[in-house]
Amino acid sequence: EPEVTQTPSHQVTQMGQEVILRCVPISNHLYFYWYRQILGQKVEFLVSFYNNEISEKSEIFDDQFSVERPDGSNFTLKIRSTKLEDSAMYFCASSENPTGVYGYTFGSGTRLTVV
Amino acid sequence: AQKVTQAQTEISVVEKEDVTLDCVYETRDTTYYLFWYKQPPSGELVFLIRRNSFDEQNEISGRYSWNFQKSTSSFNFTITASQVVDSAVYFCAPWTGGGNKLTFGTGTQLKVEL
Repeated sequence: EPEVTQTPSHQVTQMGQEVILRCVPISNHLYFYWYRQILGQKVEFLVSFYNNEISEKSEIFDDQFSVERPDGSNFTLKIRSTKLEDSAMYFCASSENPTGVYGYTFGSGTRLTVV
Repeated sequence: AQKVTQAQTEISVVEKEDVTLDCVYETRDTTYYLFWYKQPPSGELVFLIRRNSFDEQNEISGRYSWNFQKSTSSFNFTITASQVVDSAVYFCAPWTGGGNKLTFGTGTQLKVEL
């Protein structure tokens, strides 16, 4: 079964450092998303991406965050200067269409720990 | 903006019991979709079901069933004859056209014990 692949599975970084989280969506999917889940809390939307541009972003997704699809297969989330409160599980997701007819497929997540 | 409430924070049952997880949502949209996801202890998010707002038929998939009541804005999830492997956090998540995103509820932690 096709899956969304995220790397790394766990990243530890020092406060103020830049991190890039990587995702390989399902190949025929056109819509891509990042969500995050702070430990023990609900899953929160960060950003959606279609046709090489952001289609929607949340209040969490401020100037410290950026996304890109550099090579047609990877979909990355960059945090420019990490803060302690950025520590969370970050999930990438993809779907064939915006309404998720067959569901949104999530990756296994990257656990980001900022120290 | 949509809102979703999963009032049950945690439910504990004994194996083979039936259990219902509640989900109440708010939206002004007439067209919307409702999703359920499962998050087992390993942490991944597993898609269970998508229901559109025009289809109020209840759905059954094996031991899982869903009851969609548009009149009460509820989309409840029942597990029949629960098993230990059902232990997970279950999230209800509506989607509306205004946001192109899922809005997750706070989740219900289900613990199934022997």
